[in-house]
Amino acid sequence: QQQVKQSPQSLIVQKGGISIINCAYENTAFDYFPWYQQFPGKGPALLIAIRPDVSEKKEGRFTISFNKSAKQFSLHIMDSQPGDSATYFCAASMKGNTPLVFGKGTRLSVIA
Amino acid sequence: KAGVTQTPRYLIKTRGQQVTLSCSPISGHRSVSWYQQTPGQGLQFLFEYFSETQRNKGNFPGRFSGRQFSNSRSEMNVSTLELGDSALYLCASSTKTTGGYGYTFGSGTRLTVV
Repeated sequence: QQQVKQSPQSLIVQKGGISIINCAYENTAFDYFPWYQQFPGKGPALLIAIRPDVSEKKEGRFTISFNKSAKQFSLHIMDSQPGDSATYFCAASMKGNTPLVFGKGTRLSVIA
Repeated sequence: KAGVTQTPRYLIKTRGQQVTLSCSPISGHRSVSWYQQTPGQGLQFLFEYFSETQRNKGNFPGRFSGRQFSNSRSEMNVSTLELGDSALYLCASSTKTTGGYGYTFGSGTRLTVV
C-alpha cells in the first residue's frame, strides 16, 4: 500500500515557468514532509522540508505548500531553469524511529 | 566534509550468487538507512541501523540483511540473488536519533543481476 501518492509522473515546463508537483498522504501521524531532488547517477538530495504546523515554507525559488485538512502538500519551483531538470521525490515520516516513506517520483524537464 | 560513500558503484552478479554492499556515513552520523530504488517501485526502505542495532526493517525477504560496525560503517548483503534484485541500492546517513530527518544519501550502488 503506497502511503504517499505523488503526481504527475512526468512534467515538462518552459524555462521561466512554474513547476508544480503534488503529493497526498493518508497517515495523519506523519509529521515531517521533505522533498528530495535526484540527478542521474546521483543519490537524492534534500531540497526543502516542512512540518504540519506551518502552511508554507519558502527557500529561494522552492516553496512547499501544505494543506493539513486535505492531507496534501506540493512543491512549487518558481522561474524554472534547465538546471532544475531532475527527478523529484516527496516523502513523509512520523515521530519516533520510523523511516522516510517516499512517493514514486516526478521527472521534471525544463525546456528553453 | 566528505559525504556518504558507497562502494562499489557498479556491480554485475549472476543469479544465485550473493553480494555485499558497503556504506560509509558522514563522520559523526550514527544512523544509516538502506533503500532499494527501481523504476517501477521507486524508493523502498530496506532497514535502518543506529549504534550497531537494527532499529527498523522494511518488507523485504530474509535474503536481504545488513549490519553496522562500531565506526558506523554499514554493509548490506543479498544472498541467492534473483533477477528482480537488480536495482540502485542507496544508503543514507543522519545525525538524528529519530528516523527520517536530515537524510544525506550516497550516490548508490547499481546492482545488475544476470
